[in-house]
Amino acid sequence: KNEVEQSPQNLTAQEGEFITINCSYSVGISALHWLQQHPGGGIVSLFMLSSGKKKHGRLIATINIQEKHSSLHITASHPRDSAVYICAVSLGNTPLVFGKGTRLSVIA
Amino acid sequence: NAGVMQNPRHLVRRRGQEARLRCSPMKGHSHVYWYRQLPEEGLKFMVYLQKENIIDESGMPKERFSAEFPKEGPSILRIQQVVRGDSAAYFCASSPLGYGTDTQYFGPGTRLTVL
Repeated sequence: KNEVEQSPQNLTAQEGEFITINCSYSVGISALHWLQQHPGGGIVSLFMLSSGKKKHGRLIATINIQEKHSSLHITASHPRDSAVYICAVSLGNTPLVFGKGTRLSVIA
Repeated sequence: NAGVMQNPRHLVRRRGQEARLRCSPMKGHSHVYWYRQLPEEGLKFMVYLQKENIIDESGMPKERFSAEFPKEGPSILRIQQVVRGDSAAYFCASSPLGYGTDTQYFGPGTRLTVL
């Protein structure tokens, strides 16, 4: 059974700060997903990656397969980035297993 | 191209009633997943369906819960004889290909409150 741990649980940042959210998992995976859940509850898929690094706008996701670790970075953070960020992993033919999420608040 | 649609967005039921939650996947997607998010907890997988078939129901409670995805129409998650512990947000997601190696697109969720 794969355990997914995220850190920190809660994070408060000033606008403009560089933010890092971490995700560790216990068993080898085929893919890792980063999701964003806004205060209203809607969930958006940000990235799906199995190796290396992906970038979309101010968001960067990296994964280290050997260390079973992924990071989500937000550059030049903005209040609209305030949300819960969720890491999820899959073995390929198994359901997604989710972390508990990191609650980010960006203050102007 | 409309996204994943769920209805109702909010549902209030009294203990013992039935709850029916609907999910229409994105156009062209034949894979549907249901997840439950209890208050202050993470998302948990419930069931994975393809048209007319249940592929994986390992996350479904053994009693009172059922799901279907008929040939025509939306996927339905049905909860019979609801109890207070069923109060949660239920999210549906869809993908064009199966399982966790494909990006899943989430609906807005149905918030179920059991009085």
